[in-house]
Amino acid sequence: DQQVKQNSPSLSVQEGRISILNCDYTNSMFDYFLWYKKYPAEGPTFLISISSIKDKNEDGRFTVFLNKSAKHLSLHIVPSQPGDSAVYFCAASLNTGNQFYFGTGTSLTVIP
Amino acid sequence: DVKVTQSSRYLVKRTGEKVFLECVQDMDHENMFWYRQDPGLGLRLIYFSYDVKMKEKGDIPEGYSVSREKKERFSLILESASTNQTSMYLCASSHYRASSYEQYFGPGTRLTVT
Repeated sequence: DQQVKQNSPSLSVQEGRISILNCDYTNSMFDYFLWYKKYPAEGPTFLISISSIKDKNEDGRFTVFLNKSAKHLSLHIVPSQPGDSAVYFCAASLNTGNQFYFGTGTSLTVIP
Repeated sequence: DVKVTQSSRYLVKRTGEKVFLECVQDMDHENMFWYRQDPGLGLRLIYFSYDVKMKEKGDIPEGYSVSREKKERFSLILESASTNQTSMYLCASSHYRASSYEQYFGPGTRLTVT
């Protein structure tokens, strides 16, 4: 049973506009959330994270929002660039940090 | 700069063969993980290890085993490869820190079982 879900398999956005990638989870015990970016033929690379004690974390063009009551997080990319085209995975972890649960990924295409 | 390396980028094996996938990390991380990535299913955890000689089953351990004899090396073993094990295999490591648990991934091994 998928505990972390990304319901949009793909997303297309014009260069310069905002990209919003969504992620839902079912386990209220998750307390740490991460976003990874993956290019073809490469392993995922860490992008940004957020602890459950926060509702927002920002790093340059990337912002992650966490809504615990809705069990929902989102990644905002502003402004979107063609180099952002990749598959984005969200992941969640319990306090131990020993096991991560990944979503199925959203393929983002930024159109020049 | 963290580096996670995997022994092969591409591998083709026959049904019934024993397959070894090797992973090495150079950052003295305590935790190491093996995932497989399949279209529409995302990354699914096969096994993880939080210390030498320690291992824990993930979500899909059937048909796989692991070995961690040294801290930097984590091996995934397919005892008798089957066609449904054709997949992309990703190794990852992480340091156990209270502030963050981000994982560092290797480039992946694309395994085809014929």
